[in-house]
This record gives sequence, structure tokens and C-alpha cells, in this order.
Amino acid sequence: AQSVSQHNHHVILSEAASLELGCNYSYGGTVNLFWYVQYPGQHLQLLLKYFSGDPLVKGIKGFEAEFIKSKFSFNLRKPSVQWSDTAEYFCAVRLSGGYNKLIFGAGTRLAVHP
Amino acid sequence: GAVVSQHPSRVICKSGTSVKIECRSLDFQATTMFWYRQFPKKSLMLMATSNEGSKATYEQGVEKDKFLINHASLTLSTLTVTSAHPEDSSFYICSAGGPGETQYFGPGTRLLVL
Repeated sequence: AQSVSQHNHHVILSEAASLELGCNYSYGGTVNLFWYVQYPGQHLQLLLKYFSGDPLVKGIKGFEAEFIKSKFSFNLRKPSVQWSDTAEYFCAVRLSGGYNKLIFGAGTRLAVHP
Repeated sequence: GAVVSQHPSRVICKSGTSVKIECRSLDFQATTMFWYRQFPKKSLMLMATSNEGSKATYEQGVEKDKFLINHASLTLSTLTVTSAHPEDSSFYICSAGGPGETQYFGPGTRLLVL
């Protein structure tokens, strides 16, 4: 069965630090990849997605992610975090095409201290 | 664009009663909607996939007679928790397949069964 693993459950950073959140998936076929963010008390919002093409994807709020097919990874990065980035981040994988179901990772809770 | 709403945002009910949760895509049509459950500090667990005009597809372990899903129009799906019990207390989230082959999430409904 397909699965998604996020290596870090909790990450604590100071403002201006760089961020990298790991995401690995297990599926040998073609996949679509997503990062969603859930700010405290809010619903899930799409940060970025990868379907095909350039494996380095840029999303909103300065986030980017790199798809490395050989490593089955889709890590999320931001060069300089802000206090407002405090949230929970979910990686999700979908078997390619259409509206197939998403498989979510367990999430990473990020706390950014001023 | 691509806004999904849920109603109610929170509900408290007595054990044994039924509760209906609505999920609406406000500015797009969605042939496919999804229902998730999110436990505290946990990831989203897909309960079922709902396709307009047809029966929902339930994930393994989800009781279809307990969690009734109806997707009667391209903008509305409903989840009815029948004969609710305290263990059904949870955060229920819907999403709709929207523009760009992306799922857009509602704000969630917090259900408390006494």
C-alpha cells in the first residue's frame, strides 16, 4: 500500500532560520505531490504542488519543494522562516491523474520563535 | 477562488442522535468530494470519496451505514453521522476536487457527542 512519511513531527526554529521538512513516499508509479499547511485554527491550504516538469516547485509565501524521483522524496524548504510560518505542514501524495484520493503524511508541527 | 465551506462549524449532540454536516463548493463545481476525519495531533484519515450522482466509495474500516454520504449536486455533499456515540467525536473535514486537479479543503466541523 502507498504511504507517506514525514520525518520530523515537531520542529522548533528561530526567525530567519532556514527550514527543510522531509517527505518520502512509497509508490513506484507516477504520482502527484502536494504540500498543505494548516495554520492554528484554520483549514488546510495548498502551499505548492508538483505534477510534472521542473522538479523544483515554487509555492506561496516563499516556500519551495524539490521532487527527487530516485529518492522518492518531496522535501519542503524555505530559506528564512517567519513567526507567521508557525503551523502544521502536511505532505500528500496522489496516484497520478484526476481526482484520486490523497494519502497524507502524519504532519510536521513547526513552531517559529521571534 | 476555489472556496469550500462546511456547516455547521461545530455541533454538540446527544448519544444516539444523528448529525448532518454539509460541504459546499462555493465558486466551482466539484464532481468529486472527499470526507476526512482528523484526530487530535494526527493526520487526516480519508473516510470516503463521494462522486456526484453515484454511491460513495468508503475506505476500509469505515462503516457506510453509520457515515451516510450523499452528493446530490455538483456543489453539495453531505455527511450524516447516524446514531452518534462519544467515540464519533472528532473533527470532520471535507474537500472538493477543484481547479488544477487539486483538492480544496473546507474549514472542518467539530463534532462532540455527549
